[in-house]
Amino acid sequence: EIVMTQSPATLSVSPGERATLSCRASQSVSSNLAWYQQKPGQAPRLLIYGASTRATGIPARFSGSGSGTEFTLTISSLQSEDFAVYYCQQYNNWPPEGTFGGGTKVEIK
Amino acid sequence: QVQLVQSGAEVKKPGSSVKVSCKASGGTFSSYAISWVRQAPGQGLEWMGGIIPIFGTANYAQKFQGRVTITTDESTSTAYMELSSLRSEDTAVYYCARGVAEMATTYLFDYWGQGTLVTVSS
Repeated sequence: EIVMTQSPATLSVSPGERATLSCRASQSVSSNLAWYQQKPGQAPRLLIYGASTRATGIPARFSGSGSGTEFTLTISSLQSEDFAVYYCQQYNNWPPEGTFGGGTKVEIK
Repeated sequence: QVQLVQSGAEVKKPGSSVKVSCKASGGTFSSYAISWVRQAPGQGLEWMGGIIPIFGTANYAQKFQGRVTITTDESTSTAYMELSSLRSEDTAVYYCARGVAEMATTYLFDYWGQGTLVTVSS
């Protein structure tokens, strides 16, 4: 089973600054990597899939990159509504599975 | 408008089982993958397993093999997750989630249920 590791666990950033979040897979997942945002008391929201494709309605300040085992989510200029927890997820084709990373909390500095 | 509506909160004794439902509306239920994801208090997301209709059988995370059963009822557009041999560590919010594309063969989610709190306590 593929293990997903996110770093850092917590990221303190000032509004308007850039945030860079990392995700590593224990083996290659090709580009089958998604990023979700979760706010307290809410279900997760899909931000990025295919490692770099923004989901419908997601602002351009969110971008994803990487392939294989190393991935990055970048938020170019943090807005107040972006302070949340972010999870990466691999969704391999075979065997089908949907493992999540442990999450990165982006908090106000 | 796709909606996933889950059953209400449950309180269970250790050693018992719980069955949570997820009723879908909007879209063709049988064409989309459905999964269950749980989140313990203050913890991260944990994929438990799911069903991809084109494959017809459920897939489970190794951690839950033998203890979780995921089924669907196409006649009512409802998915179920049953977890047995409950222990206190199973206290969590359980979410159902739907795949992004018809006939997709992966567990990538765009719609989520509201979550069901399952509390395991003696």
